[in-house]
Order: sequence, then C-alpha cells, then structure tokens
Amino acid sequence: DVKVTQSSRYLVKRTGEKVFLECVQDMDHENMFWYRQDPGLGLRLIYFSYDVKMKEKGDIPEGYSVSREKKERFSLILESASTNQTSMYLCASNGVSNYGYTFGSGTRLTVV
Amino acid sequence: AQSVTQLDSQVPVFEEAPVELRCNYSSSVSVYLFWYVQYPNQGLQLLLKYLSGSTLVESINGFEAEFNKSQTSFHLRKPSVHISDTAEYFCAVRTLTLNTGFQKLVFGTGTRLLVSP
Repeated sequence: DVKVTQSSRYLVKRTGEKVFLECVQDMDHENMFWYRQDPGLGLRLIYFSYDVKMKEKGDIPEGYSVSREKKERFSLILESASTNQTSMYLCASNGVSNYGYTFGSGTRLTVV
Repeated sequence: AQSVTQLDSQVPVFEEAPVELRCNYSSSVSVYLFWYVQYPNQGLQLLLKYLSGSTLVESINGFEAEFNKSQTSFHLRKPSVHISDTAEYFCAVRTLTLNTGFQKLVFGTGTRLLVSP
C-alpha cells in the first residue's frame, strides 16, 4: 500500500516563527498536494506539485510556500507563522494514472 | 468550475438505523466522484469511487453510493450503521484543467456522522 508520512502529528509554534511541515510518499507518485482542514470549511488546497521542482498555487496559497527537491518529498513552509494558520494540515499524493488520493495522517499545527 | 455540495454538516443517527449522506456535484465534463472517510485524529481514507460503468458502487464495510446523472448526485448510504461508523465523510469530484490536462480533487465541506447507541 502507498504510504504518505507526515513528520509531525502535533506542532506548537510561536507567531512569527518559520515553520516546516514535511511529507514523504513511498510509491513514486508524481503528484503531491497540501491541504488545510478547518471546521465547516472542509479541505482547501494550498499548493500542489506535479513534478520535482514544479509547484502550482491552489486556492489559498497566501502565507505559504512549498519545496519539492526530490520526488518523494513535498514540504510546506510557513514563512512567518500567524495565529490564523492554526489548523490541521493534510498531505496527499497520487500517480498520473490514479484518480484518488492517498492521504497522510495530518499535522495539527497550533500557532500561539 | 467543478464543485461538490454537502448540505448536511452533521447527521445524528441511532445504531442499526439506515443513513444517507447527501452529495451534489456540478460538472460539465466526464464525472469522477469519490467518498472519503476521516476517523478522529486521522487522515482521510478512500471509501469508494465512481469512475465509469455501474452507477452503484460499494465499499467493503457496507456503504454504497449511487451516481445519478439527472440529479447530479452521489449520495452515500448504509442500511444499518454501527458505532464505529462515527466519522466525518467527504465527497469529492475530479476537476480537469483543460489547458494542462492536470487533474485534482475538489472536496465538499464534509458531513459528520454521529452514531449513538
């Protein structure tokens, strides 16, 4: 089975800190995605990547950046964390011939 | 733009009762639809999907969903729920960027199923 691993389940960071959320998949998938999940808003796409070093903005990219230096790893970066970025962050991946996603377990980030 | 609507944010139900979680989609191209489930403090897991063929699709744990093109719906049903079905359920539709051919999923806002004894 495809495994998508997010390095941290829970994180607490201070306002203004630079935060890195890491995601690794082990099935050679081309596409990787970062979502944030908030009550009543569902999943909102932040950024996605369809190849190494390629990235595209999703629906809510403001305040975030991403990095994909290797195919298996997709990092989400909060340049200067703010309290409104407190949320559950979900990473997902899929291959070009797959239509569904495989998700990681999520990182619950609290910015204080 | 393609989208999905889940009108019910929360559905309370008693154990062994039937349940229907509603999902309506908007799409002008070939439709691929999905239901995902999220148990507390976990990521999303694929429950079932419709890509083509039979309009009734089933999951291994007793859920089923029917693709209804005329009503643009993909409702999720289970004839008898268990306490362990308590979770949040997300409907999703594939979107296709015409100029790049890139596909990604758009999710609904989720329905929380609460099963009580």
